[in-house]
Amino acid sequence: DGGITQSPKYLFRKEGQNVTLSCEQNLNHDAMYWYRQDPGQGLRLIYYSQIVNDFQKGDIAEGYSVSREKKESFPLTVTSAQKNPTAFYLCASSPRDGNNYGYTFGSGTRLTVV
Amino acid sequence: DAKTTQPTSMDCAEGRAANLPCNHSTISGNEYVYWYRQIHSQGPQYIIHGLKNNETNEMASLIITEDRKSSTLILPHATLRDTAVYYCIVRVGNRDDKIIFGKGTRLHILP
Repeated sequence: DGGITQSPKYLFRKEGQNVTLSCEQNLNHDAMYWYRQDPGQGLRLIYYSQIVNDFQKGDIAEGYSVSREKKESFPLTVTSAQKNPTAFYLCASSPRDGNNYGYTFGSGTRLTVV
Repeated sequence: DAKTTQPTSMDCAEGRAANLPCNHSTISGNEYVYWYRQIHSQGPQYIIHGLKNNETNEMASLIITEDRKSSTLILPHATLRDTAVYYCIVRVGNRDDKIIFGKGTRLHILP
């Protein structure tokens, strides 16, 4: 079945360490997105990519980095510069053409920095 | 900022229809209205979308006003499993297309 996979589901890291969250999709979607969600809050956009080798900052990109070397993959690195990295991270993908398609979301990665 | 406004929370009795409103007064002519829901600690799930006509699928119905400035998501027979946060979203639909999520409506289904 086609879908979008995020791994790991839970991640613990020490303060000051960089950590990379994986996001893979086999839906042949052009666009991919990373969102952050804090408890009781909505989703905030970190980075998004409409096409391979291209990506744009979202509303809260500081302290994060991404790459888009393959259509299927859009990993997110949470760097030591991110002041408060503990959160629930969601990856999504969508077809780029047209205005008639929704997003498919992964099941999320819950990052806890100790 | 999100282009939609929704009530923070709503209650609905199990078995009754849940009607979730959304205002999107600045919607453009080529923008669709999408609804998603997020069950606790899961990724959001697509429910339904529409442009100007009312839409229905196996999950819900979407009623869009004639002026397109508001819409209502209807869950016809709510169950406890429908307890979730429901997001109403207007999709921009150009090269910089990205979905902006508001805080949504927290729907509580009461037994």
